[in-house]
Amino acid sequence: EAQVTQNPRYLITVTGKKLTVTCSQNMNHEYMSWYRQDPGLGLRQIYYSMNVEVTDKGDVPEGYKVSRKEKRNFPLILESPSPNQTSLYFCASSKTWTGGNYGYTFGSGTRLTVV
Amino acid sequence: GQQVMQIPQYQHVQEGEDFTTYCNSSTTLSNIQWYKQRPGGHPVFLIQLVKSGEVKKQKRLTFQFGEAKKNSSLHITATQTTDVGTYFCAGYSAGGTSYGKLTFGQGTILTVHP
Repeated sequence: EAQVTQNPRYLITVTGKKLTVTCSQNMNHEYMSWYRQDPGLGLRQIYYSMNVEVTDKGDVPEGYKVSRKEKRNFPLILESPSPNQTSLYFCASSKTWTGGNYGYTFGSGTRLTVV
Repeated sequence: GQQVMQIPQYQHVQEGEDFTTYCNSSTTLSNIQWYKQRPGGHPVFLIQLVKSGEVKKQKRLTFQFGEAKKNSSLHITATQTTDVGTYFCAGYSAGGTSYGKLTFGQGTILTVHP
């Protein structure tokens, strides 16, 4: 089944403790992206990747890091999480960054709470 | 930067009533996409519009792209409880700082009372 897999689904952590949210897709998509969803703010892009070893900042990159060493994986790293990073995170992938006729495929989401 | 504004933020309807959400961009869009997110779920792609004035239908859903390609609408006829969720529009403008970034609207949360 074509899908984007995110882990973990839920995570509660403490301020300053480094964490990684994994994202993997099995559709051979070149484009991958991370979003955070907060009430009233919609989906805001954190980082995106056009292809392996090519990453760039989205609209809200502060406090996050990413890497794209393999085509299928695009982990999101929070080096020193803070409470304002409490949010619902989505990874998405697509054949091209414009989405095309099939749009973006989203993972199931990771609900992160930083205390 | 590019902004995509969506209204209304919330809409409550009785089952059987119609529903419309609107999406407006500050710049001309190359395409507009619509997504649906069920409560507790993730966004799921519904459709893409690319041509000026384009209208597409999916059963009770009608999608329109404005003539100037700066606005779009999603209309649901005779809503059902299965229509509950958040509807997002997303688009991009060719060139400039938008390259690589599909901008999402804030979403419209639809609740349907049986």
